[in-house]
Amino acid sequence: QVQLVESGGGVVQPGGSLRLSCAASGFTLSTFGMHWVRQAPGKGLEWVAVIWYDGDNNYNVDSVKGRFTISRDTSKNMLFLQMNSLRVEDTAVYYCARDALAPRAGFDNWGQGTLVSVSS
Amino acid sequence: DIVMTQSPDSLAVSLGERATINCKSRQSVLKSSNNKNYLAWYQHKPGQPPKLLIYWASTRESGVPERFSGSGSGTDFTLTISSLQAEDVAVYYCQQYYRTPYTFGQGTKLEIK
Repeated sequence: QVQLVESGGGVVQPGGSLRLSCAASGFTLSTFGMHWVRQAPGKGLEWVAVIWYDGDNNYNVDSVKGRFTISRDTSKNMLFLQMNSLRVEDTAVYYCARDALAPRAGFDNWGQGTLVSVSS
Repeated sequence: DIVMTQSPDSLAVSLGERATINCKSRQSVLKSSNNKNYLAWYQHKPGQPPKLLIYWASTRESGVPERFSGSGSGTDFTLTISSLQAEDVAVYYCQQYYRTPYTFGQGTKLEIK
């Protein structure tokens, strides 16, 4: 069955870096678009980034542009989020999520999330 | 960015009664080329990842109970739970996937009255 498992979260000081990983199983990453979504403490869901099935195009929300980079390793079926120049406001649970294949839509599978805490 | 606004922010409904959550997008998420509304609904319970309920505004995801339904078009959408069950207590989010960034509504917290 489809499974997504995030790792790499932790506590980091402002200005620091972290690399989140999402191990995918039960499907092939190169067939699906993949997203990162985050939820700050006490807040709602915020979409962060996407990498499409072809890997050629990806997009970030403006608040992380120039700081976060989404990537993948199809040989390992892994998704990544490289986070640099971290800010206190980046503190959140980060989820990886799969984009459903047409004719379906939406984010049909999610990981359990990994917590990133940016604090001095 | 397409701003999504949900109402109400919180809602308390008696077991077995109907729950209605509204979602409004600042611009239309209806694509004329395929006549589809790029709108999804998610259920989010504490300690769990979000769960996809509805996509294309009104198509129920496989395995989602029939009491959940979505309606609306263009800029105004509704999620209806026809007969509230205890396990439906959660925060519900609408999301547009018409254009990046794929924005979510602020969420509606649903509780039992």
